[in-house]
Amino acid sequence: EAGVTQFPSHSVIEKGQTVTLRCDPISGHDNLYWYRRVMGKEIKFLLHFVKESKQDESGMPNNRFLAERTGGTYSTLKVQPAELEDSGVYFCASSQFRGRSTEAFFGQGTRLTVV
Amino acid sequence: AQSVTQLGSHVSVSEGALVLLRCNYSSSVPPYLFWYVQYPNQGLQLLLKYTTGATLVKGINGFEAEFKKSETSFHLTKPSAHMSDAAEYFCAVTDPDSSASKIIFGSGTRLSIRP
Repeated sequence: EAGVTQFPSHSVIEKGQTVTLRCDPISGHDNLYWYRRVMGKEIKFLLHFVKESKQDESGMPNNRFLAERTGGTYSTLKVQPAELEDSGVYFCASSQFRGRSTEAFFGQGTRLTVV
Repeated sequence: AQSVTQLGSHVSVSEGALVLLRCNYSSSVPPYLFWYVQYPNQGLQLLLKYTTGATLVKGINGFEAEFKKSETSFHLTKPSAHMSDAAEYFCAVTDPDSSASKIIFGSGTRLSIRP
C-alpha cells in the first residue's frame, strides 16, 4: 500500500512567486494534515481536513496560504506570493480515524526555499 | 497550553553505546505521547506511543520510552546504538483541545553515531 506522497520533494522559487505543494494521502484516510518546519525550529501544525472540509486551520500563518482538498482526496497548499520566511519543510500527514491516540502517517515533506 | 521540550539539539554516541534522548512535556490533562523519527530523505515515522496503561513502551528498532508522570518526562532509550540509528528524533504530544490528531512537536534531536 502506498504511503503519503508529496510533490515536489524540493522547490526553489523567487520571492513574490507562487508555489503549489501537493499531498496524496493514504487511500481511505479521511483526515489530512499539513505541518511546517521552519529551519531549526519545531514542526508546527498548519491545518486539518476531514474529507474536503477544513476542520481546523488555526495554524495557517496568513492569507498568503491557501489549502484545498477538492473531492476529499489529494490536497494542495498554495503560497502566493511567497516570502523569504516561508522557506522550510512542509509535511503532509493522513489518518484513518480522528482522536488523540490515532497514529498519523507522514509524507517525506517538500523542502521549499524562497530566494 | 501543551508543550514539548527536547534537551539537546544534537546528541552523539559511539556505536554500541546507550542512546538516551530526553523529552519533557507540559500538559494540563493526561498526555498522549509520541516519538517520531526522520531518517535522511524520508518522512516522519512513528517509533512508539504512550496513551494509557503500561508506562514502559516498546517501539520499533529496539527503542523504548518510559512515561514518568512525576517528572513529566518521556525519555527515549536504546541499550546499544547502531549506525542505522542516525536520524532526527521528535518527541510529541497530541493537543487535548483538538478532537483530531493535532500534534505538538518538540524541536527535534539529531542523533549521530560514531564508529
